[in-house]
Amino acid sequence: DAKTTQPTSMDCAEGRAANLPCNHSTISGNEYVYWYRQIHSQGPQYIIHGLKNNETNEMASLIITEDRKSSTLILPHATLRDTAVYYCIVLDLYNQGGKLIFGQGTELSVKP
Amino acid sequence: NAGVTQTPKFRILKIGQSMTLQCTQDMNHNYMYWYRQDPGMGLKLIYYSVGAGITDKGEVPNGYNVSRSTTEDFPLRLELAAPSQTSVYFCASSRVGVNTEAFFGQGTRLTVV
Repeated sequence: DAKTTQPTSMDCAEGRAANLPCNHSTISGNEYVYWYRQIHSQGPQYIIHGLKNNETNEMASLIITEDRKSSTLILPHATLRDTAVYYCIVLDLYNQGGKLIFGQGTELSVKP
Repeated sequence: NAGVTQTPKFRILKIGQSMTLQCTQDMNHNYMYWYRQDPGMGLKLIYYSVGAGITDKGEVPNGYNVSRSTTEDFPLRLELAAPSQTSVYFCASSRVGVNTEAFFGQGTRLTVV
């Protein structure tokens, strides 16, 4: 059963912010939200994760709604190299350990 | 650190042959995983291991076997290869905790003919 729902594809203009949404309406209190991306059939790459609070690192920002039922990954200034499939994953570290289950993801195309 | 290393990068097998995909990591991670990715699809978890001597099935384990005799190595064995096993295989590792981040290898592209 899918724990997350993401749009199949999105476009973004180069230099603009890319906002990738993810719905996880059945998320439980122990589950973290993780984001990974996969560039052109390479191995996936970790981006960011969070539990309740918004998070920011050198790659992206993660905004989690107050009810935790959805989140948005923000790439502040998208470049052509950000073209990839982005995966949103919910993970219960205490009951599932680190078992990462990937969904279909969102294919982001950054256009010049 | 080399990270997660997979060998071989490419392989063609005939139907019914067997082979072992090798995966090793040098980060002293406790968790290791094997995924397969069919063309145009997402990753499916085949097997995973929470530490040496412990393995468990993922979403699509049929046709595969694994072992974890050391922390570093997590080989994936294909017995009696079938065309349906044509896929790209990724190995990954992570140190489970609040800051879990999985590191992936570059993949093994397997074709069964």
